[in-house]
Amino acid sequence: DIQMTQSPSSLSASVGDRVTITCRASQKISDFLNWYQQKPGKPPKLLIYGSSRLQSGVPSKFSGSGSGTDFTLTINSLQPEDFATYYCQQSYNTPYTFGPGTTLEIK
Amino acid sequence: QVQLQESGPGLVKPSETLSLTCTVSGGPIGSAYWSWIRQPPGKGLEWVGNLYSNGGTRYNPSVRSGVTISGDTSKNQFSLKLRSVTAADTAVYYCAIFREWGDYREYNWFDPWGQGTLVTVSS
Repeated sequence: DIQMTQSPSSLSASVGDRVTITCRASQKISDFLNWYQQKPGKPPKLLIYGSSRLQSGVPSKFSGSGSGTDFTLTINSLQPEDFATYYCQQSYNTPYTFGPGTTLEIK
Repeated sequence: QVQLQESGPGLVKPSETLSLTCTVSGGPIGSAYWSWIRQPPGKGLEWVGNLYSNGGTRYNPSVRSGVTISGDTSKNQFSLKLRSVTAADTAVYYCAIFREWGDYREYNWFDPWGQGTLVTVSS
């Protein structure tokens, strides 16, 4: 199985900040990497697929990059609704696996 | 817009079978792919398995309880069965659409998701 790791596991930031979350795969996965946002008591919401492709309806403040084993999710100009947990997920092969999540908290 | 809703018992006894149903509205299920994903309380996400439009399935070998995913196109529903469950199967279970994209349908992702249903395995 492909193991996914994320750093940091938690992050404190202020409204208006720009933050970057890192995801690493245990083997090369090309750009088969998705990002999800999850708020408490809610299902995950797709933000980005194929490493850098923004899902329809997702604000352009979210951006993704990376290929191979290292990926990043960047969120510009944080707003209160952006404070949530973010998960990466590899779609390279089965079993599809998720990272452990990064919780973004208000400072 | 397609919407999904999970339903089923919230409490299952150890060694018994967990059965959940996902009801789909806003579109027929016959031409799509479908997934179950679970999340133990306070923990991360684990893919359980997929059901493909040709009836084929693929499961996560790490899910130790016996898994079966099946569909009923006449009811626009698909279901999950986990046999011989243990406390480790306690989780919020989500159903989701499994999307594919690309020249060779090489990209895929889960979207949208149902709201999820908590299943507790306890005697």
